[in-house]
Amino acid sequence: ELKVEQNPLFLSMQEGKNYTIYCNYSTTSDRLYWYRQDPGKSLESLFVLLSNGAVKQEGRLMASLDTKARLSTLHITAAVHDLSATYFCAVDILNTGNQFYFGTGTSLTVIP
Amino acid sequence: DADVTQTPRNRITKTGKRIMLECSQTKGHDRMYWYRQDPGLGLRLIYYSFDVKDINKGEISDGYSVSRQAQAKFSLSLESAIPNQTALYFCATRAAGGQTQYFGPGTRLLVL
Repeated sequence: ELKVEQNPLFLSMQEGKNYTIYCNYSTTSDRLYWYRQDPGKSLESLFVLLSNGAVKQEGRLMASLDTKARLSTLHITAAVHDLSATYFCAVDILNTGNQFYFGTGTSLTVIP
Repeated sequence: DADVTQTPRNRITKTGKRIMLECSQTKGHDRMYWYRQDPGLGLRLIYYSFDVKDINKGEISDGYSVSRQAQAKFSLSLESAIPNQTALYFCATRAAGGQTQYFGPGTRLLVL
């Protein structure tokens, strides 16, 4: 059974702190995506990781992919309140861009 | 104007009723997707389409049907709604050869 697991599910952190969200998946895949969802809103694409060792950075967020370990991380540096949202990873199980399996999401709250 | 629109945004219906959710896009993308989001479960793929003649089932297609009326329009139908279809439904698009999915604002459906 395909599983895409994120942890933690809930994360409360203080502004200025660093933290990492983990995304583990149970099938072979070379493509992994990270999305952000604000409360009551739609999903916004953050990162697209297309190969083993891929690393992408945007502002205080950095995502990486280890396809051998079937693990992706989303690292938050010096968190600010504006980063409060739910973050999802999604795995493209066929590497075709058509069958995406999403993790359960990590709800992040950054406390001033 | 939004690139991916969904109508209605909110809908309350009764068990056994037929309901259609509509998605339109102005991005010119040929790939379109329907997902449902349930609390604690992330997003799950219902159907996806490459073009008007190519419709594919996703992870959870039972109880749903779709119609791709044109490149820009992709509709999701619940022939006989049941309470466990209460969820938030998202449409998404993707360009052929592109990596990013663009999500609509979502339709919140309540089946009583």
